[in-house]
Amino acid sequence: EAQVTQNPRYLITVTGKKLTVTCSQNMNHEYMSWYRQDPGLGLRQIYYSMNVEVTDKGDVPEGYKVSRKEKRNFPLILESPSPNQTSLYFCASRVGRGPMNTEAFFGQGTRLTVV
Amino acid sequence: AQSVTQLGSHVSVSEGALVLLRCNYSSSVPPYLFWYVQYPNQGLQLLLKYTTGATLVKGINGFEAEFKKSETSFHLTKPSAHMSDAAEYFCAVSMDTGRRALTFGSGTRLQVQP
Repeated sequence: EAQVTQNPRYLITVTGKKLTVTCSQNMNHEYMSWYRQDPGLGLRQIYYSMNVEVTDKGDVPEGYKVSRKEKRNFPLILESPSPNQTSLYFCASRVGRGPMNTEAFFGQGTRLTVV
Repeated sequence: AQSVTQLGSHVSVSEGALVLLRCNYSSSVPPYLFWYVQYPNQGLQLLLKYTTGATLVKGINGFEAEFKKSETSFHLTKPSAHMSDAAEYFCAVSMDTGRRALTFGSGTRLQVQP
């Protein structure tokens, strides 16, 4: 089954404690991205990757890091989480590079709370 | 720059009634337009998309949307609402430039009353 898998689904952490949210897709997609969803703001892109070892900033990259060492995995790293990073996070992957292909596959989401 | 405006953060309809969710976009180049649905505690699911060609696009679950360039709109409709349509709906736009990211609207929560 084609899917994007995120872990964990829920996470409560304390300010400053490094964490990683994993994302894996089994469709051999080149393009992957991370979004955060906040009430009234929709989804905003944090980082994206067009291929292995190719990553770039999205609209709200501050406080986040990513890596793309393998095609299937695209972890999101919060080196020093702060309460304003409390949000719902989605990983997504795209069939092709073109914008018309869009992110058709989203993970189930990770609800992060930073206290 | 591209942007999306969804009019109405909450829409309530009766079961069997017409569903109309509004979306207006701003784009400096011809856009690609999408509607997504998000059910509670789930990720987003692509409902339909407009890329080129026919301006009336049909999607899953009986939804359709019409691209109107003159009005910069891409409203989502369904002739008869079902209880199972209750969810949050997001309109999004993408352009064939730069990082090709999706820009989402703020979402519309659809309630369906029995």
